[in-house]
Amino acid sequence: SAVISQKPSRDICQRGTSLTIQCQVDSQVTMMFWYRQQPGQSLTLIATANQGSEATYESGFVIDKFPISRPNLTFSTLTVSNMSPEDSSIYLCSVAPRQGYGYTFGSGTRLTVV
Amino acid sequence: KQEVTQIPAALSVPEGENLVLNCSFTDSAIYNLQWFRQDPGKGLTSLLLIQSSQREQTSGRLNASLDKSSGRSTLYIAASQPGDSATYLCALNKAAGNKLTFGGGTRVLVKP
Repeated sequence: SAVISQKPSRDICQRGTSLTIQCQVDSQVTMMFWYRQQPGQSLTLIATANQGSEATYESGFVIDKFPISRPNLTFSTLTVSNMSPEDSSIYLCSVAPRQGYGYTFGSGTRLTVV
Repeated sequence: KQEVTQIPAALSVPEGENLVLNCSFTDSAIYNLQWFRQDPGKGLTSLLLIQSSQREQTSGRLNASLDKSSGRSTLYIAASQPGDSATYLCALNKAAGNKLTFGGGTRVLVKP
């Protein structure tokens, strides 16, 4: 299965600033997913990113707040913009598997907004 | 809309006891079901993948079953160890390459 390198692993940010999270995959993948995990909660999908097209956002998430780039088949970024303490969460990227393999996740970015 | 539920939300057992973790879902039209482990503040580690045509998968001390007709999957962990302490999440998708829908997780503590 694919191996994902996610950076940064954690960060503490001031409110009103932005943070960009990167995910690099060791193989070409069609679809990448970005999830948020708020403290004590399960994972919620933010958006699906396909190479060469606009990301598709889930209800409650908007492009202005969470812009996503997908410049090629091995890389994607998620930016958390104009941050507030409510954005403090773990953010994870994931890739869809090849036939017969499970989904793979990055190691996560633990974001604290102060 | 698919809803995934994991009960109990938390579980504490003495070392050596077998663990039984439950996952239920409302829509039986699933493609894959996957069990993950998450350590505090970390990412997800895949444990087992069950394709919709399968009824169970095994890996070492872990065994996962799938009953689509009743909307249930069960993860069994034999002879639990303190290192098994973590949150266990089940997730499923509706079609190949689609997003995963997650359950709320079961937080497990195995006491030495």
